[in-house]
Amino acid sequence: QKEVEQDPGPLSVPEGAIVSLNCTYSNSAFQYFMWYRQYSRKGPELLMYTYSSGNKEDGRFTAQVDKSSKYISLFIRDSQPSDSATYLCAMDDTNAGKSTFGDGTTLTVKP
Amino acid sequence: DAGVTQSPTHLIKTRGQQVTLRCSPKSGHDTVSWYQQALGQGPQFIFQYYEEEERQRGNFPDRFSGHQFPNYSSELNVNALLLGDSALYLCASSLEERSSYEQYFGPGTRLTVT
Repeated sequence: QKEVEQDPGPLSVPEGAIVSLNCTYSNSAFQYFMWYRQYSRKGPELLMYTYSSGNKEDGRFTAQVDKSSKYISLFIRDSQPSDSATYLCAMDDTNAGKSTFGDGTTLTVKP
Repeated sequence: DAGVTQSPTHLIKTRGQQVTLRCSPKSGHDTVSWYQQALGQGPQFIFQYYEEEERQRGNFPDRFSGHQFPNYSSELNVNALLLGDSALYLCASSLEERSSYEQYFGPGTRLTVT
């Protein structure tokens, strides 16, 4: 079983919908939680990071971490066709300097 | 300000050959990490370089080696290539104190082994 599990999708939503992307993990040592967006044939782009539990908001994006459940989420409000991409969650031990990634969820936002 | 750059973009090699991939970090960054991303999977950590030393290593064999130069640029070398080494190789740069959570990725080098 992988340390980080992510529903591969694909996920298809209409423009303007609220999107929920999720990951579960098994390593309780993870302290940093990141979300990346990866367009086809491109490198991952860091969207947000969160330290320990709690919520963090940045524009249309909200990241949530529930360490007690080992569950993290990314919400996208007012989704746009330009949000169509693969979304990767990633996690890191404190001071480890190496990230463990999920396999990504492919999202399509239809106009 | 240039972001992370990688070369070459694409590469085709034959089994048993050796390959060298190159990475220039984002301006001001001192730490470089390398990842392997197979098709349909998330990136897997290979190793990280800081102050020209390998600081962390993932679960990859010794055929994978690297180097960091005084200007912080880095190389990834893979010897005795296997078909299973075909993947997108990603370089990520960061500041050392933020390397756990603020990495910036390059566009990757797509390696095909035939």
